[in-house]
Amino acid sequence: QVQLQESGPGLVKPSQTLSLTCTVSGGSISSGDYYWSWIRQLPGKGLEWIGYIYYSGSTYYNPSLKSRVTISLDTSKNQFSLKLSSVTAADTAVYYCARYGSTTNFDYWGQGTLVTVSP
Amino acid sequence: EIVLTQSPDFQSVTPKEKVTITCRASQSIGSTLHWYQQKPDQSPKLLIKFASQSFSGVTSRFSGSGSGTDFTLTINSLEAEDAATYYCHQSNSLPLTFGGGTKLEIK
Repeated sequence: QVQLQESGPGLVKPSQTLSLTCTVSGGSISSGDYYWSWIRQLPGKGLEWIGYIYYSGSTYYNPSLKSRVTISLDTSKNQFSLKLSSVTAADTAVYYCARYGSTTNFDYWGQGTLVTVSP
Repeated sequence: EIVLTQSPDFQSVTPKEKVTITCRASQSIGSTLHWYQQKPDQSPKLLIKFASQSFSGVTSRFSGSGSGTDFTLTINSLEAEDAATYYCHQSNSLPLTFGGGTKLEIK
């Protein structure tokens, strides 16, 4: 059973960089079948895809966030990470990591982690 | 960017009723439309993939239909545990997008 778990600071100051890590267990992120994704949910709002990374290191980002986002892999630790720079209060959200497959879609998700941007 | 518009935003229904939620895409997306269920304080769970394919382990009370721009999620014989927000999602083109959600309340 694949499991994903987000970790990182729950509070970030405005203008700083939000950094989160997703640890994957029960499956290898080096598998060529999946993209490793970040999705966020603003308070009381819907879901926004941030971007994903393939095992090769290829990345795809939402244009609305592209200038501030970096997603990377650490295959030795079976982890992938999100960095979002120059954050503002509008970036306060629950951040989810998820596995995405072309035939399975977002089939496994982490539990989500709330990140609040505040002085 | 493909915009997905769900309706209704909110629906209050009684147990054993049948519920229909719709999702309209701003352009044709074939059958690359998927449905998720999110209960309070939980992460979303995949229900239906590619418009009509049930995801593994999902009860047959959930079904999906549609293609092109108009899609439907149907929940038969509603149960109390179906109280949740339902989202549609398209994988036809990047950026991947989600609908605004339909909140289902069980009376």
